[in-house]
Amino acid sequence: DAKTTQPPSMDCAEGRAANLPCNHSTISGNEYVYWYRQIHSQGPQYIIHGLKNNETNEMASLIITEDRKSSTLILPHATLRDTAVYYCIVRPYNFNKFYFGSGTKLNVKP
Amino acid sequence: EPEVTQTPSHQVTQMGQEVILRCVPISNHLYFYWYRQILGQKVEFLVSFYNNEISEKSEIFDDQFSVERPDGSNFTLKIRSTKLEDSAMYFCASRLAGGTDTQYFGPGTRLTVL
Repeated sequence: DAKTTQPPSMDCAEGRAANLPCNHSTISGNEYVYWYRQIHSQGPQYIIHGLKNNETNEMASLIITEDRKSSTLILPHATLRDTAVYYCIVRPYNFNKFYFGSGTKLNVKP
Repeated sequence: EPEVTQTPSHQVTQMGQEVILRCVPISNHLYFYWYRQILGQKVEFLVSFYNNEISEKSEIFDDQFSVERPDGSNFTLKIRSTKLEDSAMYFCASRLAGGTDTQYFGPGTRLTVL
């Protein structure tokens, strides 16, 4: 799997957009970018994934740079319940396992 | 919305005892996984299972571990002789065959080995 680099922690004010960056400079053409989060010790929760184009769903938006070497997960209006560890994972489509790194601990503050 | 469920939520056992962790994957999913997370550490892949056989396993998944799909709904992880270092959260995940590759995770079972 391509290696990803994420900041260990970030703060965000409640109601503001949270922008979580991820570098994946060694990504190859068939590798997707996935984002999961883990709230406390719960099971990882799927957020969004993409290959080249920007993606949006009811939870978040994923912005992938044109060269695909980095991406940003955007939570448009962060709430206290969005406090979690966010994992950026890069892997080929249909590849078996996910490799979870250390992620970014997002602290949403009132 | 369909969910992966796991039982029990917390299992306490004595070192050397056998434990079975149970998972009910999402009903139309065909790939099944076990991951574990030792307290304060990363989520680690253990094993994947498809078509009634193991498709991939990690170095952690040694002879003390086994998986089984005993019926059409359950997926189990057995640890034959537990060690103190097996204490962790164990997460089951499942996904469809083909289509989106997204794995959906259960809430986890906390295993405490005394």
